[in-house]
Amino acid sequence: LAKTTQPISMDSYEGQEVNITCSHNNIATNDYITWYQQFPSQGPRFIIQGYKTKVTNEVASLFIPADRKSSTLSLPRVSLSDTAVYYCLVGDNTNAGKSTFGDGTTLTVKP
Amino acid sequence: DVKVTQSSRYLVKRTGEKVFLECVQDMDHENMFWYRQDPGLGLRLIYFSYDVKMKEKGDIPEGYSVSREKKERFSLILESASTNQTSMYLCASSLPGGPGELFFGEGSRLTVL
Repeated sequence: LAKTTQPISMDSYEGQEVNITCSHNNIATNDYITWYQQFPSQGPRFIIQGYKTKVTNEVASLFIPADRKSSTLSLPRVSLSDTAVYYCLVGDNTNAGKSTFGDGTTLTVKP
Repeated sequence: DVKVTQSSRYLVKRTGEKVFLECVQDMDHENMFWYRQDPGLGLRLIYFSYDVKMKEKGDIPEGYSVSREKKERFSLILESASTNQTSMYLCASSLPGGPGELFFGEGSRLTVL
């Protein structure tokens, strides 16, 4: 199983770009990297997913280096509403029971 | 929108009681999951199911069982609740194959006294 490691917490200010890194040294060839956002008293929700290089959508970018041993979620110009816990998940849905969530990074955005 | 509905948001039970947590999804997803979430421990997989009547153990199945009699419904059962099972329980579903995207319910916070 790919063990994932994330920073426990991060602070930022409104309007800044935030980068959260997840380490996954023993990622398998078939594994994808997926990031989820969770607000208090809610279930996590999908943000972005990638396999290699860079993926961008309307809310975030995901950078994955060639060795795929880490990944970085980039949130451009954060606002107070981005305060949440962010989880990386490494795995392959065809073997979903072997997917591994990180312990989550609590992002606090300050005014 | 995909909807995953967990029957109870908050439950309070006594030690030794049998507890049922119900989860229903409306997107015809083959895969369904039960996770437990505790402070500092992230999300840990209890059980998952690839199809009706099929189940597989996750990382922490001890003290739990599951039932999937219909495709849309996945139940988590605590045969004899204990205080160390006080936690947030999250149900999720996904399509089979590929990298997958998990769709989560709102969670069920269980307190065992």
